[in-house]
Amino acid sequence: NAGVTQTPKFQVLKTGQSMTLQCAQDMNHNSMYWYRQDPGMGLRLIYYSASEGTTDKGEVPNGYNVSRLNKREFSLRLESAAPSQTSVYFCASRRDRPYNYGYTFGSGTRLTVV
Amino acid sequence: DAKTTQPTSMDCAEGRAANLPCNHSTISGNEYVYWYRQIHSQGPQYIIHGLKNNETNEMASLIITEDRKSSTLILPHATLRDTAVYYCIVRGGLDFGNEKLTFGTGTRLTIIP
Repeated sequence: NAGVTQTPKFQVLKTGQSMTLQCAQDMNHNSMYWYRQDPGMGLRLIYYSASEGTTDKGEVPNGYNVSRLNKREFSLRLESAAPSQTSVYFCASRRDRPYNYGYTFGSGTRLTVV
Repeated sequence: DAKTTQPTSMDCAEGRAANLPCNHSTISGNEYVYWYRQIHSQGPQYIIHGLKNNETNEMASLIITEDRKSSTLILPHATLRDTAVYYCIVRGGLDFGNEKLTFGTGTRLTIIP
């Protein structure tokens, strides 16, 4: 089925370890996003990419890096994981036109940092 | 983006219409109203959006007041699968550079059998 695919679905890291969360979409969307959701809270934007080769910081970028590998893929990297990064991470993409179109989200990666 | 206010939780009987309100009194002229929902811990799902006219699609209807300061999402015949957290979001539709889609804490809708 068309949509946004995230891997892995679950991950446990030790403090200081690094990892990359993968995201791919097959809808030919230019815009892609990474959000995090902490328990009982709404989503907060980490980084976004308006097109291949461009990335911009969102609301909570500290401790993360991103790579827009190509039009389909947008990865999120934690260089040195901290317990405060325990969260559910969602990747999303959006059609470019019309600009007001809705987002399509992946099913999430549940990350625990111990 | 304009701030939105939603009730924390609501219940609705199965088969009845679920009406979810949202206040956005500081909305500006070029800002759209979006609704998403999140079922359990899945990724948010886009439902509907509108600017000033009422909108309807296969999932729901969106009623926006004439002054655009509030809106109501209507699920016409609620089922148990509609139990979810519903988010009302306001953002500019034509401002491509403004990518911040701000999710609040939403309304937890519980459909009662």
